Amino acid sequence: GAGVSQSPRYKVTKRGQDVALRCDPISGHVSLYWYRQALGQGPEFLTYFNYEAQQDKSGLPNDRFSAERPEGSISTLTIQRTEQRDSAMYRCASSLAQNYGYTFGSGTRLTVV
Amino acid sequence: AQKVTQAQTEISVVEKEDVTLDCVYETRDTTYYLFWYKQPPSGELVFLIRRNSFDEQNEISGRYSWNFQKSTSSFNFTITASQVVDSAVYFCALSEKELGSYGKLTFGQGTILTVHP
Repeated sequence: GAGVSQSPRYKVTKRGQDVALRCDPISGHVSLYWYRQALGQGPEFLTYFNYEAQQDKSGLPNDRFSAERPEGSISTLTIQRTEQRDSAMYRCASSLAQNYGYTFGSGTRLTVV
Repeated sequence: AQKVTQAQTEISVVEKEDVTLDCVYETRDTTYYLFWYKQPPSGELVFLIRRNSFDEQNEISGRYSWNFQKSTSSFNFTITASQVVDSAVYFCALSEKELGSYGKLTFGQGTILTVHP
């Protein structure tokens, strides 16, 4: 597609539920990244992929968070047993290669109530 | 210690004024990359510039210019003749080699720029 597409745009979920956030990168972009941005803060790295391989997951806060990109294109970030502190904007980005400028998607605003 | 420090939390200027946004970074690598992103009120993150550590030449793009000084670990961003549409949060970011690659960006806290008519 023309840009990085994320769905849903908004997600409200009850504490304890699992959520899956989807990212569809720009066609042909090798690298895909997930970031989390709290209100008034800069984006914080979660994880990234080159093709289908997860290269770095050091930013995932705990084992409730996981991500996959099984065919090297669309990626899913899953949060299990959500907690209120998980509420944030989750942003996906893609790039042609790892140190090029990223193109960010519009993000998914997650609210855990 | 913060790897990327944007000391100015908020800046307010009047249209047509010049404004400089400061960014200071910290790294032990000799090869690294620096970025600036703009986040307008609509919320998206817009890529502005990428600079590698070996290129200290200043860059100008229209009303935007960037001053990279390795000696002071700074990568400052200047907007000349600011306009209301420049109102946004601006983020500076650093990419270092970690786990063998440069994939991860470390962002600063951002500077909120408000340009008044």
